[in-house]
Order: sequence, then C-alpha cells, then structure tokens
Amino acid sequence: GDSVTQMEGPVTLSEEAFLTINCTYTATGYPSLFWYVQYPGEGLQLLLKATKADDKGSNKGFEATYRKETTSFHLEKGSVQVSDSAVYFCALMYNNNDMRFGAGTRLTVKP
Amino acid sequence: SQTIHQWPATLVQPVGSPLSLECTVEGTSNPNLYWYRQAAGRGLQLLFYSVGIGQISSEVPQNLSASRPQDRQFILSSKKLLLSDSGFYLCAYRGTGGVGELFFGEGSRLTVL
Repeated sequence: GDSVTQMEGPVTLSEEAFLTINCTYTATGYPSLFWYVQYPGEGLQLLLKATKADDKGSNKGFEATYRKETTSFHLEKGSVQVSDSAVYFCALMYNNNDMRFGAGTRLTVKP
Repeated sequence: SQTIHQWPATLVQPVGSPLSLECTVEGTSNPNLYWYRQAAGRGLQLLFYSVGIGQISSEVPQNLSASRPQDRQFILSSKKLLLSDSGFYLCAYRGTGGVGELFFGEGSRLTVL
C-alpha cells in the first residue's frame, strides 16, 4: 500500500546550517505530497505541499521538490534558526483517500 | 474561516476510567473528520475517520470508539482506559479547497496512570 519513509532523527544542527530531511514514498499512482511541522506541545501545521511531478512547494524558507523519478520529496532550508526546532512529518495523499504520514524527524537547532 | 478546536488539552486518568475527548470544527459543513494518536516519540496512527453524521470507520481495533453526533462534532471515547492508551490525540478535518489537505487541532495529551 501507499507509504512514506523519512530519515530517522533526531537531527541536531547549529544555527544558520543547511537542512535536509529525506523523504521517499511508495504509491501506486501520483499522490499529492506534504510536509507538516509540529512545534512542542502543539498540533500539526501544514508547511508546504506539491501536487504533481516537478512541483516545488515552499514556505518560510523551506522548500521541497516532487521528484517522480526518485519518488522523493526531501525538505530543505538554506539557513535554519533556533525557532525551526520541531518535529517534521512527510505525508502523502492519493485519490483523496487517507493521508499517510512518515514517522517524523525531530530537528533541534542550537544557537 | 475554518477553525478546529479540541478539549481538554491535557488529561490525567487512572487505568479503567472512562474517556471522552471532543473536537469541533467551525466554518465548514459536512467535513471529513479524523482522529489520530501520536505515542511518545512515534509517528501518527490513524484511529478513526468520519465522512458524515453517524458514519465512523475504524482503522485499528482497540478499546477506543468514536462518534459523530453532529455535523461538526467528533468525539473519541473509551469505557475503560488502558496504560497503552496514553498519548497525544489529534483531531483533523479535510480542507475543501486545494487538494484536500488535513488541518489539525491543538491536540489532547492523555496520561493514563
């Protein structure tokens, strides 16, 4: 069935470092792909999305490109801040069915 | 605009006691609603979803149940809590625009002692 695999955390970076969180998916068709962020003690917030191959989602300095050839949707940010410390979830949705989430990757950014 | 609220935000309950978590959505009609559980340090597990009043689908057999008594109200219940029910419970609705992504409430943290 459809599924998402994220890189295992936790990830610890210094402020202003470059961030990559890997996400790959398995799906029978062409799903929509998402990144959600969860700050401590809060629910999930939609960070960005992409609905078709080669689409690039972006928000708050984060970017992810829908790569059909590698079935990937890696999250990147050029310069992280302490306030980016959170858990990041990759997710897919196919044919308006359930949304499937990865296990989440905890990011800690140190000053 | 659409909003979603959950309560209580935090709950500490003894083993064997009942549970009721409530979720309400405003600003939309007949939304698809979802209950997820997030165990400590783990990902999201879909528990229940509902496409309308009285319509509940269960993803995982367990001692939890869900009900949808009104269009914009979704309740998660248990008659007798287990230690393993501890976790962070998230309610979500499917957006009507865009690609139908999910929007989440603030979450309810349940600790069973």
